[in-house]
Amino acid sequence: DIQMTQSPSSLSASVGDRVTITCRASQSINWDLNWYQQKPGKAPKLLIHAASTLQSGVPSRFSGSGSGTDFTLTISSLQPEDFATYYCHQSYSSLWTFGQGTKVEIK
Amino acid sequence: EVQLVESGGGLVQPGRSLRLSCAASGFTFHDYAMHWVRQAPGKGLEWVSRISWNGIKIDYADSVKGRFTISRDNAKSSLYLQMNSLRAEDTAFYYCARDTKPNSSGTSIDYWGQGTLVTVSS
Repeated sequence: DIQMTQSPSSLSASVGDRVTITCRASQSINWDLNWYQQKPGKAPKLLIHAASTLQSGVPSRFSGSGSGTDFTLTISSLQPEDFATYYCHQSYSSLWTFGQGTKVEIK
Repeated sequence: EVQLVESGGGLVQPGRSLRLSCAASGFTFHDYAMHWVRQAPGKGLEWVSRISWNGIKIDYADSVKGRFTISRDNAKSSLYLQMNSLRAEDTAFYYCARDTKPNSSGTSIDYWGQGTLVTVSS
């Protein structure tokens, strides 16, 4: 199976901060990388698909980049509603895998 | 409006079976691959299984292969997960989820149900 490793596992940030979360795959997955946001008690929400394509309705402060094994999710200016847990996810292999998650907390 | 509504969760003893159902509406069900994704309480997401739009291609996570069976009934716009030989580590919220692109083998998930809790305990 392809292992997905996110860093950091958690971070504290303030409203207005620029936040970067990284995701590394154990082998090349081309651009088959997606990012989700999950808030407590809610189902995940798709933010970015195919590494850098913003899902419809997602604010433009979210962006994704990378290819191969190294990927990044960036929130350009953190908003109060962005405090949540973020997951990367590879769909390159038939057996999908998620990263362990990055919890973004209020500083 | 796309809706995915899971049912069938509950408390079950180790070694027993349970069948989850997911009723889909608001889109052309037979055009999309469907997935089950689970999340143990307080833990991360784990993909469980996928079935292609036509039911021909099926994949399972290693952790459930041989014990779980995914199926679909396109006439009823319904997805199922038959779970046998349940273990304590199968305790989780189980989400029914739709693949983003129609007629694809699997790209990402754009719609999720609200989840149904399966608790495996004696």
